[in-house]
Amino acid sequence: GDSVTQMEGPVTLSEEAFLTINCTYTATGYPSLFWYVQYPGEGLQLLLKATKADDKGSNKGFEATYRKETTSFHLEKGSVQVSDSAVYFCALFNQAGTALIFGKGTTLSVSS
Amino acid sequence: GAVVSQHPSWVICKSGTSVKIECRSLDFQATTMFWYRQFPKQSLMLMATSNEGSKATYEQGVEKDKFLINHASLTLSTLTVTSAHPEDSSFYICSAREGREEQFFGPGTRLTVL
Repeated sequence: GDSVTQMEGPVTLSEEAFLTINCTYTATGYPSLFWYVQYPGEGLQLLLKATKADDKGSNKGFEATYRKETTSFHLEKGSVQVSDSAVYFCALFNQAGTALIFGKGTTLSVSS
Repeated sequence: GAVVSQHPSWVICKSGTSVKIECRSLDFQATTMFWYRQFPKQSLMLMATSNEGSKATYEQGVEKDKFLINHASLTLSTLTVTSAHPEDSSFYICSAREGREEQFFGPGTRLTVL
């Protein structure tokens, strides 16, 4: 079945460092791909998405490109801030397009 | 974005009792609501999908008699964990969407069964 694999954390960075969180997926066809972020004490929020191959989703300085050749959707940010500390989830829509399938989440901790 | 609330945010109960968790969409009509369960350092596992006024559709392996879901209105869904046991301790998260729009997530409810 469909599944998402993302790198295990925690990821600990200094402010202004470059961030990459890897995400790969297994799915039938070409599902829409998402990154969600969960700040402490809050619900998951959609960070960015891409709906077809080679699409690049971007938001708040974060970017991810839908790579069908490598079935990947890695999250990147050029310069992280302390306020980016959160848990990041990679996800895809199931084949029916009715439900999200999540990776395990990666905790990012940024220190000043 | 739209807001989804959950109540309570944290509940502790004795083994054998039942616990109800509420999920509300505060500023939109949630035609579909989803219930997830999250174990420590694990991904969110979809438990069930419910459409307003219809019976919930449960994912394989989820006991529908143990996890009762009611979606009686366009702004409220409830999850009742019946005869809770320590292995039911977990973080329960709901999400809601209107039509096929974006899903919005609640902050989650931590259930601890003693």
